[in-house]
Amino acid sequence: GENVEQHPSTLSVQEGDSAVIKCTYSDSASNYFPWYKQELGKRPQLIIDIRSNVGEKKDQRIAVTLNKTAKHFSLHITETQPEDSAVYFCAAIGREAAGNKLTFGGGTRVLVKP
Amino acid sequence: IAGITQAPTSQILAAGRRMTLRCTQDMRHNAMYWYRQDLGLGLRLIHYSNTAGTTGKGEVPDGYSVSRANTDDFPLTLASAVPSQTSVYFCASSDSYVLVGQGENEQFFGPGTRLTVL
Repeated sequence: GENVEQHPSTLSVQEGDSAVIKCTYSDSASNYFPWYKQELGKRPQLIIDIRSNVGEKKDQRIAVTLNKTAKHFSLHITETQPEDSAVYFCAAIGREAAGNKLTFGGGTRVLVKP
Repeated sequence: IAGITQAPTSQILAAGRRMTLRCTQDMRHNAMYWYRQDLGLGLRLIHYSNTAGTTGKGEVPDGYSVSRANTDDFPLTLASAVPSQTSVYFCASSDSYVLVGQGENEQFFGPGTRLTVL
């Protein structure tokens, strides 16, 4: 099955700096890669996603890049703010005949210091 | 009901007891999922259902069972709870199940159930 690895596990940045989280996946057939943000004590919520026919996608201060050849994708947060502090999960859909079973990375705890 | 709901919000349970976690969605999503999230760790898939009447095993199915009698409800049952099942349980749903990359893949998560087994 699909295996997703995520690095780093923790990331501390100064407010205004950029944060980058990287993920690798194992199944070359995977073609959907979402990123979820989970604030303390709350549910995960989708913040951005990318499909395999696109190399980069941007939404205001967040962007995701995908390198299908290398099987890795990254989340970039620019001009970080204290409200960006949360745990971020990457995910990928593995090879399945049917179903949207996501495999999640282990998560990155981001702390933005004011 | 708006979106996806779970009950109870939290529960303390004695080991060996039977427990059913409830999940209901009103978005008419055909796919539903159960995840567990242990402290400081990521989400692991327990069971899933692509459509009403069908279920499948995820990464960590042992000790859990599910049913999908209709589109809206997807209960998770612990037949005989053990302390290692102490976790936060999230239910999720999504719209598309036929082919990956077609339709809307986003999974919407419920608020979670915090379960403690003593």
